[in-house]
Amino acid sequence: EVQLLESGGGLVQPGGSLRLSCAASGFTFGTYAMTWVRQAPGKGLDWVSGIRGNGDSTYYADSVRGRFIVSRDNFKNTLYLQMNSLTADDTAIYYCARMKGESFHRNWFAPWGQGTLVSVSS
Amino acid sequence: QSALTQPASVSGSPGQSITISCTGTSSDVGGYNYVSWYQQHPGKTPKLIIYDVSDRPSGVSSRFSGSKSVNTASLTISGLQAEDEADYYCNSYTRDNTYVFGTGTKVSVL
Repeated sequence: EVQLLESGGGLVQPGGSLRLSCAASGFTFGTYAMTWVRQAPGKGLDWVSGIRGNGDSTYYADSVRGRFIVSRDNFKNTLYLQMNSLTADDTAIYYCARMKGESFHRNWFAPWGQGTLVSVSS
Repeated sequence: QSALTQPASVSGSPGQSITISCTGTSSDVGGYNYVSWYQQHPGKTPKLIIYDVSDRPSGVSSRFSGSKSVNTASLTISGLQAEDEADYYCNSYTRDNTYVFGTGTKVSVL
């Protein structure tokens, strides 16, 4: 069974940093592209970032480019999201999701993890 | 990248059919046949119900169907059931090699 388990969320001050992790199991992690999606409280889904299966290509939404860094460790079966210069607008549940196949492009997101909550506040 | 436009809410009676629209541009919905739809019940994680405009993942009810015309994709739920009450989001691949979600639609079963 495919499982994705996010961790690393919490309360951080504006301007601070946080690193999220997504531990994967039940599939050959390195052969699938992965993505991060967030959802602010009571709001809709917002695509954040993605990474190719071998980790050599990364992609970002304009709202996080230059502040967030996505990476993966295919030996540890773990996806990461390093979030820097956080603002209140980054407050959300952050979900990781598997994509279809190794390529990031022309794809969909399934399954999703349970999410981890990031709160940015002073 | 601006969010795709969906109606805020759609409602129907049990057994009826409803359709949710998802309007984008030629840079996303209109430019690619890579529209997917997600169902999210309150407090739950999103679930893929349609991919590549009109394909259904294994295990998803055939009451869900998808289509696209020019820059607008649509999700139709036939034979509406109480369990279909949820939020629905469309998503499209874009010309910028990114993805964009719709604004979301709350489906209510009267």
